[in-house]
Amino acid sequence: AAGVIQSPRHLIKEKRETATLKCYPIPRHDTVYWYQQGPGQDPQFLISFYEKMQSDKGSIPDRFSAQQFSDYHSELNMSSLELGDSALYFCASSSQLAGLRETQYFGPGTRLLVL
Amino acid sequence: GIQVEQSPPDLILQEGANSTLRCNFSDSVNNLQWFHQNPWGQLINLFYIPSGTKQNGRLSATTVATERYSLLYISSSQTTDSGVYFCAVKDSGGSNYKLTFGKGTLLTVNP
Repeated sequence: AAGVIQSPRHLIKEKRETATLKCYPIPRHDTVYWYQQGPGQDPQFLISFYEKMQSDKGSIPDRFSAQQFSDYHSELNMSSLELGDSALYFCASSSQLAGLRETQYFGPGTRLLVL
Repeated sequence: GIQVEQSPPDLILQEGANSTLRCNFSDSVNNLQWFHQNPWGQLINLFYIPSGTKQNGRLSATTVATERYSLLYISSSQTTDSGVYFCAVKDSGGSNYKLTFGKGTLLTVNP
């Protein structure tokens, strides 16, 4: 079965640089989520999109922005990178057709290292 | 917001042993998922189980929603079961989207 695709899988950036992470949801899934997992931490919700509209927002820094495109893929843009942004970034997708009780399927993650 | 507590935080087993991991949550939920994060960082869905009992091979899970807890059972553990097990919930009185994770249980299975 098709899974959530994330690219790149690994990314190394310098402080103050920008980074763009991409997510391709499972086909026919209409909702995308972004989570950030710091070293030794649990994943923290950043933001979600349903049908290309932002549906919820968590603890996402103002330096970060995201959007969902017409083909349902999503991009997380991160600017003015800081050392503390080094983390594993997960994208997840689900289908709202299943109602509130839908399963979120996670991608393999993008490991970002800021030097 | 909803609080999710997992126990134990760490668990060391010998191959072949059985174990029970627990997840307590502070409010009613309409989504509960168990994940296994392997040593490479991948989050693997184990169960979607907001209530009831499910089994998949050596793994099974039970959620008692009225008492706000869920249990994950691992039988005949194997070294490949090592990793962090996360419980994550969606607060039925909160966001329709956000999953809140517990701190996880780090499982080490020794040969």
